[in-house]
Amino acid sequence: EAQVTQNPRYLITVTGKKLTVTCSQNMNHEYMSWYRQDPGLGLRQIYYSMNVEVTDKGDVPEGYKVSRKEKRNFPLILESPSPNQTSLYFCASSSAGRDEQYFGPGTRLTVT
Amino acid sequence: RKEVEQDPGPFNVPEGATVAFNCTYSNSASQSFFWYRQDCRKEPKLLMSVYSSGNEDGRFTAQLNRASQYISLLIRDSKLSDSATYLCVVKPFQDDMRFGAGTRLTVKP
Repeated sequence: EAQVTQNPRYLITVTGKKLTVTCSQNMNHEYMSWYRQDPGLGLRQIYYSMNVEVTDKGDVPEGYKVSRKEKRNFPLILESPSPNQTSLYFCASSSAGRDEQYFGPGTRLTVT
Repeated sequence: RKEVEQDPGPFNVPEGATVAFNCTYSNSASQSFFWYRQDCRKEPKLLMSVYSSGNEDGRFTAQLNRASQYISLLIRDSKLSDSATYLCVVKPFQDDMRFGAGTRLTVKP
């Protein structure tokens, strides 16, 4: 089944404790992206990757890191999480030249 | 000003009603337009693309007005299963997608 998976789905952590949210897609998509969704603000892009070893900042990259060592994986790293990073995070992927993005199920992160 | 603006709603309508959502965008260079649907606490999924001449998919009709930088979605004969948040999405040329904050629809029996 074609899908985007994210882990963990739910995470409660404390300020400053490094964490990684994994994202994996099995559709051989070139393009992958991370978004955060907050009430009233919609989806905002954090980072994106056009292909392996190519990453770029989105609209709200501060406090986040990403890597794209393999085509299928695009982990999101929070080196020192803060409460303002409490949010719902979505990973998405799409094929080059195609418009539709496929989203993962989301990761609900709470930083206390 | 937000790049993509939508009326947040909520829209509460009875089954069988016709409901319309509007969306405006600020980047006149935008090339592609979409409506995504998001169920509560779930991931967004593509509902339909929006073409310049307008397009229809069953009970759903999407319209684009480039001159006014305005997109609409019309849902006819609403079903309970249409209850969701509808996201207006705009894709500027050679740029990434810009999402509206969404319009929430509740269809009641």
